[in-house]
Amino acid sequence: ILNVEQSPQSLHVQEGDSTNFTCSFPSSNFYALHWYRWETAKSPEALFVMTLNGDEKKKGRISATLNTKEGYSYLYIKGSQPEDSATYLCAFSTGGFKTIFGAGTRLFVKA
Amino acid sequence: GAGVSQSPSNKVTEKGKDVELRCDPISGHTALYWYRQSLGQGLEFLIYFQGNSAPDKSGLPSDRFSAERTGGSVSTLTIQRTQQEDSAVYLCASSLVKVRGDTEAFFGQGTRLTVV
Repeated sequence: ILNVEQSPQSLHVQEGDSTNFTCSFPSSNFYALHWYRWETAKSPEALFVMTLNGDEKKKGRISATLNTKEGYSYLYIKGSQPEDSATYLCAFSTGGFKTIFGAGTRLFVKA
Repeated sequence: GAGVSQSPSNKVTEKGKDVELRCDPISGHTALYWYRQSLGQGLEFLIYFQGNSAPDKSGLPSDRFSAERTGGSVSTLTIQRTQQEDSAVYLCASSLVKVRGDTEAFFGQGTRLTVV
């Protein structure tokens, strides 16, 4: 059974803090790792898709790294802002259409 | 429309009733997916359509669940004789081409189903 674990489940930080959270996935049959941001009452929005071991992606203050050999990815947010408050989902794929999602990390940024 | 549209956005139904959830994908997207998120869980894959065909229905949790897609566009997810454990957010997503694992999917805002 393919399982994707995300930690922590939730995180409360102050505005300006930098933070990071983890996605763990099976290291065998890896094809791609996705990160999504899901704000309340909105659609999940794709942040990154990574396919190669050692990949690093960056979008503004948010960046992600990938280690396919050990089966983890980190998402970093530098200088958190209240608008970063959302659930961050990671999703693992072995190829094809079935993508396995984690339960998400819920981030709360207090002004 | 510009994005994936789902309706209704919220649905409260009595246990035992049937419900129908609708998804309008982005125009031209041939791949369409249904997921659901129960409280505290990750997104659970339900079914995938390529055009009007559903090559994999194994994610549907029981035979009370069915889905169809017509004209390669709109999809409906039907839940018969709803149970309280069916309460969840049901998300639809679409993507442009026959999907690979690195294809970006675009999500709708979801239908929050509450069975009372």
